[in-house]
Amino acid sequence: NAGVTQTPKFRVLKTGQSMTLLCAQDMNHEYMYWYRQDPGMGLRLIHYSVGEGTTAKGEVPDGYNVSRLKKQNFLLGLESAAPSQTSVYFCASSYFRWDRVDEQYFGPGTRLTVT
Amino acid sequence: KNQVEQSPQSLIILEGKNCTLQCNYTVSPFSNLRWYKQDTGRGPVSLTIMTFSENTKSNGRYTATLDADTKQSSLHITASQLSDSASYICVVSGGGGSQGNLIFGKGTKLSVKP
Repeated sequence: NAGVTQTPKFRVLKTGQSMTLLCAQDMNHEYMYWYRQDPGMGLRLIHYSVGEGTTAKGEVPDGYNVSRLKKQNFLLGLESAAPSQTSVYFCASSYFRWDRVDEQYFGPGTRLTVT
Repeated sequence: KNQVEQSPQSLIILEGKNCTLQCNYTVSPFSNLRWYKQDTGRGPVSLTIMTFSENTKSNGRYTATLDADTKQSSLHITASQLSDSASYICVVSGGGGSQGNLIFGKGTKLSVKP
């Protein structure tokens, strides 16, 4: 099993450009999450999904959109990138909900720089 | 406000020594507490997950403790190795209605020197 994979690993955007980050998992997990990690701060939840075709907002959703058309994929979109979106983005997945004793498996991250 | 505070912010120890990392939280309602290890440039990897009824949980040389009354947890690393150099993140899960949220601490950066 590959676990959780993320594409791309690195990306540099100019302000106003758009892009999509792809997350894929091969563990048949229902729940998928997008986080961002900034220096000196804990990971923060952007959006999450509780199953195919569902999405929900997390703590910091502004400026991002997501889609979960297939159970194994969770896409994070930036429609008009801003320098404040410079960060490392992590995707995670789990079989059970976050309040259950069940691991969240994280991908390797995407380092995004917006100039 | 739901918060997870970790201390110290960073720590340097010699290989073979033990160390203890601290985590205090104010998350309510509380479901479970997790410790993750994050190597530089990689995603977090789970070490332990504890519910309020568990006081201690071990994973090899890593032992986590939880005091749900005082809302404190610790992670003890025994006989440290160079490969233990990483950030250790304390994470608290709220109830099922908490918007999918795990509350992450900022982490303790541990450096193990030879």
